[in-house]
Amino acid sequence: ETGVTQSPTHLIKTRGQQVTLRCSSQSGHNTVSWYQQALGQGPQFIFQYYREEENGRGNFPPRFSGLQFPNYSSELNVNALELDDSALYLCASSLTGDHVGYTFGSGTRLTVV
Amino acid sequence: AQTVTQSQPEMSVQEAETVTLSCTYDTSESDYYLFWYKQPPSRQMILVIRQEAYKQQNATENRFSVNFQKAAKSFSLKISDSQLGDAAMYFCAYCDGGSNYKLTFGKGTLLTVNP
Repeated sequence: ETGVTQSPTHLIKTRGQQVTLRCSSQSGHNTVSWYQQALGQGPQFIFQYYREEENGRGNFPPRFSGLQFPNYSSELNVNALELDDSALYLCASSLTGDHVGYTFGSGTRLTVV
Repeated sequence: AQTVTQSQPEMSVQEAETVTLSCTYDTSESDYYLFWYKQPPSRQMILVIRQEAYKQQNATENRFSVNFQKAAKSFSLKISDSQLGDAAMYFCAYCDGGSNYKLTFGKGTLLTVNP
């Protein structure tokens, strides 16, 4: 059973640029969620995808968007990067209907300069 | 909106001793789940223990146990026989029992284990 893998592990971008983060969900999981974790804070829910559609969204602007693919992998896209977007971005997968908890990846550390 | 509060930014414990991490939450829901996650320097969130709100019995996983007080909306984590590998950030998290699996996290407690 493979876990959740995220790429890249680290990334440096310039303010105003666009970035794409990738996530492969755990085998057997069909739901993917993305979280933003600022330094010294708990993760904040960005959105969740199920059956390739957004299924819940947190308090994030539209420049944060995502995709889920038929193999349940996912992308997080952020346009017009701002300095405050610097954070650890965590992907988590789960099986719909199963409340045993998410399986998290190790995250992508995004730095915006 | 649901909120999760962890009032202890940092805690320390001697190896082999017991430590309790505090968590309170606010919700108007009757069906929900509570979790404790551990985040070591590797950054990956690791599930430590889970509690279903409808269960009165406190969850236990080896050296980890919880004290779930539903009326008080309190969910503390007790770590017995602390080990050096227990050192990490610990996050309390809440999730509604409905179809939305959004986790709401507290700000975390940094646990240091002293040899």
